[in-house]
Amino acid sequence: DADVTQTPRNRITKTGKRIMLECSQTKGHDRMYWYRQDPGLGLRLIYYSFDVKDINKGEISDGYSVSRQAQAKFSLSLESAIPNQTALYFCATSDLGQGNEQFFGPGTRLTVL
Amino acid sequence: GNSVTQMEGPVTLSEEAFLTINCTYTATGYPSLFWYVQYPGEGLQLLLKATKADDKGSNKGFEATYRKETTSFHLEKGSVQVSDSAVYFCALRDAGGSYIPTFGRGTSLIVHP
Repeated sequence: DADVTQTPRNRITKTGKRIMLECSQTKGHDRMYWYRQDPGLGLRLIYYSFDVKDINKGEISDGYSVSRQAQAKFSLSLESAIPNQTALYFCATSDLGQGNEQFFGPGTRLTVL
Repeated sequence: GNSVTQMEGPVTLSEEAFLTINCTYTATGYPSLFWYVQYPGEGLQLLLKATKADDKGSNKGFEATYRKETTSFHLEKGSVQVSDSAVYFCALRDAGGSYIPTFGRGTSLIVHP
């Protein structure tokens, strides 16, 4: 089984709808992250969490919110989706420590019409 | 702030050609450096890493050496295969603060038979 899972894998929605993307991990890591990937822009950090009680904004948090329901679960919500939020979204986890890599989920492709 | 600069792609090569993807960084202190690879339809996965100056990371025939004097971490492979076609991301984790990773924009590699 995959260490980091994301649901759904694909979603098409309409402008103004509320959308939730979910992420679960079995790595036992405290740190979790949400990124979006756009062609030519690489990965951009939306939100990150260092433990259940800790939530931090990334570089592009406007229009998004998150919830850390448990150590293993970190959800991303778009309260009112807009077309420029069409992108590939990745969840990632990591352990504490500068030399530790991140582990990524398979991604959710979101299209907002 | 921290930044990572990668050569723009796509890089197009014939099978068995030599590959170099340039990566330079700006960071405070002594960051750890990473190369991630993203195969089509998948999330990112760690390819190799180096945690201190002059370290060489290697995996699957790929290599990169942490050069502090030139603030670089160029990715190389002596003979690429079609299966190496993917997007490659250079990244760093800074020693200071919260170890939030910084990613480059990614370089697409296309290898033709």
